[in-house]
Amino acid sequence: DSGVTQTPKHLITATGQRVTLRCSPRSGDLSVYWYQQSLDQGLQFLIQYYNGEERAKGNILERFSAQQFPDLHSELNLSSLELGDSALYFCASSVASDGPYGYTFGSGTRLTVV
Amino acid sequence: GNSVTQMEGPVTLSEEAFLTINCTYTATGYPSLFWYVQYPGEGLQLLLKATKADDKGSNKGFEATYRKETTSFHLEKGSVQVSDSAVYFCALSAPRRGAGSYQLTFGKGTKLSVIP
Repeated sequence: DSGVTQTPKHLITATGQRVTLRCSPRSGDLSVYWYQQSLDQGLQFLIQYYNGEERAKGNILERFSAQQFPDLHSELNLSSLELGDSALYFCASSVASDGPYGYTFGSGTRLTVV
Repeated sequence: GNSVTQMEGPVTLSEEAFLTINCTYTATGYPSLFWYVQYPGEGLQLLLKATKADDKGSNKGFEATYRKETTSFHLEKGSVQVSDSAVYFCALSAPRRGAGSYQLTFGKGTKLSVIP
């Protein structure tokens, strides 16, 4: 157990639908990062939050959004889902916003869009 | 921008063989370098890291040395086991241009299969 908790582990939904993925960071970590892992694109950085505020954006689609709540858990919202959104979505956390720290990853949410 | 290039797999080795997975990087400033491992059905786990030139990271028999002159961070293990079968990701952490936020940039991953 890495200390980063992601729910649900698996999600199957239809095209056009909206889903919410949840992440609880490791105790003491203030930064949360979201990554998408697909076979053809590899690991793609989506977005980072630090202590409730957005810090950096990567290749996140406009149909996707995220937030970090006062208790530091984070949610990634995916809407108007397409078949191509099927992927593993990972959340990671780290103690700080800046600096050469490694991240602690959760076990991921596998999203299947049918 | 920052990027990581690692050898494409899959790599198949017999148990007790020597392993090398090549990794080179491009980055602004002085990045920190990492190797992560992903076992089937699991998330990524930090395997080892090095934060400055000539540092050697090591863990579980794996080693990698930060070579600034060749911008490389190759992963090695002297004798692999079946339990080492996984996907290995090289990554760097460096500040983004114009921003104060470090991010991990990953290579595409190398799948290792070790057969008895």
